[in-house]
Amino acid sequence: EAQVTQNPRYLITVTGKKLTVTCSQNMNHEYMSWYRQDPGLGLRQIYYSMNVEVTDKGDVPEGYKVSRKEKRNFPLILESPSPNQTSLYFCASSLYGNTEAFFGQGTRLTVV
Amino acid sequence: DAKTTQPNSMESNEEEPVHLPCNHSTISGTDYIHWYRQLPSQGPEYVIHGLTSNVNNRMASLAIAEDRKSSTLILHRATLRDAAVYYCIEAGNMLTFGGGTRLMVKP
Repeated sequence: EAQVTQNPRYLITVTGKKLTVTCSQNMNHEYMSWYRQDPGLGLRQIYYSMNVEVTDKGDVPEGYKVSRKEKRNFPLILESPSPNQTSLYFCASSLYGNTEAFFGQGTRLTVV
Repeated sequence: DAKTTQPNSMESNEEEPVHLPCNHSTISGTDYIHWYRQLPSQGPEYVIHGLTSNVNNRMASLAIAEDRKSSTLILHRATLRDAAVYYCIEAGNMLTFGGGTRLMVKP
């Protein structure tokens, strides 16, 4: 089954404790991206990757890092999480940037 | 910034057609028009996309104006499971989500 898998689904952490949210896709897609969703602000893109070893900033990249060492995985790294990064995060993949995108089920992160 | 304009909310009766409008007056010639929907507590789900011609799939139809400055997503028979937020997006090399239209379906 074609899917985008995020882990964990829920995470509560403390300020400053590094964390990684993993994202994996099984569709051999070139393009992967991360979004955060906040009430009243909608879905905003954090980072995207058009291919292996190619990443670029989206609209809200501050406080986040990503890597794309292999095609199927695109982890989101928070080196020093802060409470304003409490949000619902979605990973997405598509063959290219303007083709049908598949989204993961989301990761609800709370930073206290 | 999102480049599309959609009504904040719409209401429909179950088993009736629904027409969800979207304005994208600044769309470039190579950008596709995508529609996604997000059900409560789920990630966005692809619905349909097109460039110039009208498109049909098992979920919906997409009618694109001749000047490409607007489009309409058509759900032919709304069901309660279609209640969601529907996003219209100009897709260049990335998807930029706007506020979407919250569709409410009444039994």
